[in-house]
Amino acid sequence: SQTIHQWPATLVQPVGSPLSLECTVEGTSNPNLYWYRQAAGRGLQLLFYSVGIGQISSEVPQNLSASRPQDRQFILSSKKLLLSDSGFYLCAWSQTQGSNSPLHFGNGTRLTVT
Amino acid sequence: GQNIDQPTEMTATEGAIVQINCTYQTSGFNGLFWYQQHAGEAPTFLSYNVLDGLEEKGRFSSFLSRSKGYSYLLLKELQMKDSASYLCAVRVRPFNAGNMLTFGGGTRLMVKP
Repeated sequence: SQTIHQWPATLVQPVGSPLSLECTVEGTSNPNLYWYRQAAGRGLQLLFYSVGIGQISSEVPQNLSASRPQDRQFILSSKKLLLSDSGFYLCAWSQTQGSNSPLHFGNGTRLTVT
Repeated sequence: GQNIDQPTEMTATEGAIVQINCTYQTSGFNGLFWYQQHAGEAPTFLSYNVLDGLEEKGRFSSFLSRSKGYSYLLLKELQMKDSASYLCAVRVRPFNAGNMLTFGGGTRLMVKP
């Protein structure tokens, strides 16, 4: 069966510091990968998605970036965090075939920028 | 662009039935998904509709009308553990263009004894 791991679970970082969140998927190959952010009491906002190694599409321009160095590894980064970057970050995967394939989410990272 | 609307909050009584509505206006449509999200946790997949009609899964059912841009999630025999946010999400591109979902703001359901 497929599993998705995301870490760390919680993170408190000062403004201006760098960020690196990591996500790995097991039990499947060539998945689509996604980073979403959820602000407190709000819906999920798609930040990045990837359909293959080294292929990253950005949905929202901001000071975050994403990379996919391996087939089942997806990394979210920032060089300098802003207060507005606080939120709940969720990594997800889906199969590349089949429009009925749901997104499967990791447990999330709660980021607080102080 | 896409616009997905759901009520912000709903309250229901244990053992009752509740219907959570979702309306959407999108530039394309390739399926509608419902997710459950407990506070502080990740969303979990509940149901998928791409054709008009009702899909039933135990106590949960989901309905879709593509012509009206409307869906609802029906929860029967409510239990206290059903207190959570329910997220409506639409897929607007085919799977070979990323397969991503666009989410509504979610409906926070509170089940009371």
